[in-house]
Amino acid sequence: AQSVTQLDSQVPVFEEAPVELRCNYSSSVSVYLFWYVQYPNQGLQLLLKYLSGSTLVESINGFEAEFNKSQTSFHLRKPSVHISDTAEYFCAVSLFNTGNQFYFGTGTSLTVIP
Amino acid sequence: DTAVSQTPKYLVTQMGNDKSIKCEQNLGHDTMYWYKQDSKKFLKIMFSYNNKELIINETVPNRFSPKSPDKAHLNLHINSLELGDSAVYFCASSSKPGVTQYFGPGTRLTVL
Repeated sequence: AQSVTQLDSQVPVFEEAPVELRCNYSSSVSVYLFWYVQYPNQGLQLLLKYLSGSTLVESINGFEAEFNKSQTSFHLRKPSVHISDTAEYFCAVSLFNTGNQFYFGTGTSLTVIP
Repeated sequence: DTAVSQTPKYLVTQMGNDKSIKCEQNLGHDTMYWYKQDSKKFLKIMFSYNNKELIINETVPNRFSPKSPDKAHLNLHINSLELGDSAVYFCASSSKPGVTQYFGPGTRLTVL
């Protein structure tokens, strides 16, 4: 069963426009949630994470994500994107009942258009 | 200092050959992973070791064999390489299973 779903495989957006990358997960147990970013020809870097506490988490470069337990979502948002945000974005979930195994989504390719 | 390093960065080889990819982490983590990323960017976990013991072994051909000589190293050996093995292979580590993973820069394997 697919634990993480990223519905949008490609998202083109104009520079300085807002963007939302969607992530939904399926789990009946507690989870940790993550967003990773992969710039061209590089490895994955942690962008932000939710472990507990405040449901709104932020990154240092202006991205934020909100954990919504009722909708089992962890969408990533940025109010104004830059060219340098062009990258592949992966949502991931760690489920407490599977030995804490990680599940990655299929990725969303964000392209910022000048 | 590089937290998670992999060698080589690029690997081009012929079908049928045997090759190894090395991974080292200097973060003091107990858990290490190998992932395969295909041309569509899909990321698939292959193996995970915790304290040098195999804890995840996904459906991977037995031509792939991980080896963990110590907690800081997890190497991947591939026998009888096939065209379909061409991909980018990422090593990662975490302090324990299920928490933040730190990725290496990847090894791009091309099988001709």
